[in-house]
Amino acid sequence: GESVGLHLPTLSVQEGDNSIINCAYSNSASDYFIWYKQESGKGPQFIIDIRSNMDKRQGQRVTVLLNKTVKHLSLQIAATQPGDSAVYFCAEIPRDDKIIFGKGTRLHILP
Amino acid sequence: DADVTQTPRNRITKTGKRIMLECSQTKGHDRMYWYRQDPGLGLRLIYYSFDVKDINKGEISDGYSVSRQAQAKFSLSLESAIPNQTALYFCATSDLTKQGAGEQFFGPGTRLTVL
Repeated sequence: GESVGLHLPTLSVQEGDNSIINCAYSNSASDYFIWYKQESGKGPQFIIDIRSNMDKRQGQRVTVLLNKTVKHLSLQIAATQPGDSAVYFCAEIPRDDKIIFGKGTRLHILP
Repeated sequence: DADVTQTPRNRITKTGKRIMLECSQTKGHDRMYWYRQDPGLGLRLIYYSFDVKDINKGEISDGYSVSRQAQAKFSLSLESAIPNQTALYFCATSDLTKQGAGEQFFGPGTRLTVL
């Protein structure tokens, strides 16, 4: 069946280091992928997205990589800061437009 | 996101009670969604609506109903609440872009506890 999953439920990273959060998806027909950040007590917030015709997209301190061959998505956060502590969700949108969320990875920043 | 508001933010109720959660948006989006979030299970889609006359069941619609009163309003009802409906509920909106489906904008969430 279709699924979006994450390799690690919790990731601890030293402040200042780069963070890499990984995600596997199974629907090769998905057109659109999004990373969301959810801080405690808040709703998910959009970080960055990528369409299936791209393999890399960069934002401010964040980069999303898409490897369609192995159905893998990753989020890279450069110079991780305390404010980056949150749960990160990957999501895929197949062509029927119903978004499918992964279960989330908690990013914990070590001082 | 202040453009998407949810009321109430917290609610404690008893088994068997009827509960309505409301969502309003000022983004002018046609598409609206209701999700529930449980620890370890991520976000699961309950219902979604692509316009005022369009209502669709999501992954876990049993025990829930919705009403799209206007483009800006989408309410979720629990006809007879049960304890396993205790969860965090999120409303979201999105629009169709030139490239296809767009990102979803989420409300702040409603924490519902059913005793």
